Amino acid sequence: SQTIHQWPATLVQPVGSPLSLECTVEGTSNPNLYWYRQAAGRGLQLLFYSVGIGQISSEVPQNLSASRPQDRQFILSSKKLLLSDSGFYLCASPGTDLNYGYTFGSGTRLTVV
Amino acid sequence: KNQVEQSPQSLIILEGKNCTLQCNYTVSPFSNLRWYKQDTGRGPVSLTIMTFSENTKSNGRYTATLDADTKQSSLHITASQLSDSASYICVVSARSGYSTLTFGKGTMLLVSP
Repeated sequence: SQTIHQWPATLVQPVGSPLSLECTVEGTSNPNLYWYRQAAGRGLQLLFYSVGIGQISSEVPQNLSASRPQDRQFILSSKKLLLSDSGFYLCASPGTDLNYGYTFGSGTRLTVV
Repeated sequence: KNQVEQSPQSLIILEGKNCTLQCNYTVSPFSNLRWYKQDTGRGPVSLTIMTFSENTKSNGRYTATLDADTKQSSLHITASQLSDSASYICVVSARSGYSTLTFGKGTMLLVSP
C-alpha cells in the first residue's frame, strides 16, 4: 500500500510571499509523482509531474515551480505568490496497484491574501 | 480535446435513498475510468476503476457502470448514508504518456437526515 503525506493542511500567505509545500511518499513507491491544483468549482488541474529525482515537467506556465530532491519527496514552491495561486493543492502517485488507481495526499488549502 | 462532463452538478437526497451520478467523456484513446470520493478539504479516495472491457464494478454500496460505446459511466449509490456526503469525481485516463488523466468537475452529493 501507499500513503501520500502533505503539509501543511492549511496555509494563509500574503501576496508576494514565498511558498513551499511538501509531499512525501510512504510505503510502496512509484517513480511518478504529480502536483494538482483544484480551484473552487473546477476540476483538478495538473501542474507538474515528475518521473524521477531531479526530473520535473510543467504542464501549464505559472508562478509556481516544483522539485524532486529525493525519490519519495516532491516539493511545490513559489518565490512570490499571487492571489490567483489560491486553491487546494494535491500531491498524487499512480501507486503500484493498478486496480486501485491513483493515491492522493490529503491536500493543502492555500489562501493568498 | 479530452473532456469529462459530470451531472448533476449537485444533488440532495434523503438518507437511505439511492442515487445515480452520471459521467460523459470524450477521451481518446480510452484506457480506464475511475470514480473518486472527495470529502471536503481532503484528497480524493478511489472508489472504482474500470477498463474498456468492464461494464460494471462494485465497491460495497457503490456500483459503477461503463458503456464504452456511448462513452458514459454512472455511479450508483445504494441506501445512502450521511457519510456519503461528498464530491464524487469521474476521472478518465487516456492510453498514452505519463499522466493523461482528465478530471470531471465532480458532483456534490449531500445526504440529508
